[in-house]
Amino acid sequence: GAGVSQSPRYKVAKRGQDVALRCDPISGHVSLFWYQQALGQGPEFLTYFQNEAQLDKSGLPSDRFFAERPEGSVSTLKIQRTQQEDSAVYLCASSPPSYEQYFGPGTRLTVT
Amino acid sequence: GDSVTQMEGPVTLSEEAFLTINCTYTATGYPSLFWYVQYPGEGLQLLLKATKADDKGSNKGFEATYRKETTSFHLEKGSVQVSDSAVYFCALRTNAGKSTFGDGTTLTVKP
Repeated sequence: GAGVSQSPRYKVAKRGQDVALRCDPISGHVSLFWYQQALGQGPEFLTYFQNEAQLDKSGLPSDRFFAERPEGSVSTLKIQRTQQEDSAVYLCASSPPSYEQYFGPGTRLTVT
Repeated sequence: GDSVTQMEGPVTLSEEAFLTINCTYTATGYPSLFWYVQYPGEGLQLLLKATKADDKGSNKGFEATYRKETTSFHLEKGSVQVSDSAVYFCALRTNAGKSTFGDGTTLTVKP
């Protein structure tokens, strides 16, 4: 079956631009996670949804980062006024009611 | 807070050599433990998992045993292949929420 998909796969933004990254989870998965992976490091947690409810946003690095999942399916991570330190791979994962997370291929964001 | 420390890389081995990648963790509660693999140009894939103490996870010849007394989850494989070349991440998850990852260990297997 279809896995987690993310779009775009690559995004180049000029400093100060806003970007929106999309995640399509596996159908029926109630939990959805966003992670940020800097080069040479492991993924760092950003935020977590259960259905449409955002249960944990403790990892969002600043108020420029915003995530939503209005209908409990597709999610969008928005970054306003991008900065160079936002350059990273943004990973989305979805999960059924167990502990196994399924990851998407990621969106590589480069801020110039 | 929760944390995962894994063996620094890179690790370079010859084909058929024995592999160990060390992983230790700090967590509140009783975490589930995971190894993920990331092949070049691909996304993270779950390699194996263990949900309670003394459980052994295994897949594709890789094994790891959940050791609560040493807070460890070391990854092993008896005979590596060139196709095992990838980045390996150890991770924990304490409830149905977020995962905490180590920084990854790059493995290169030479023929």
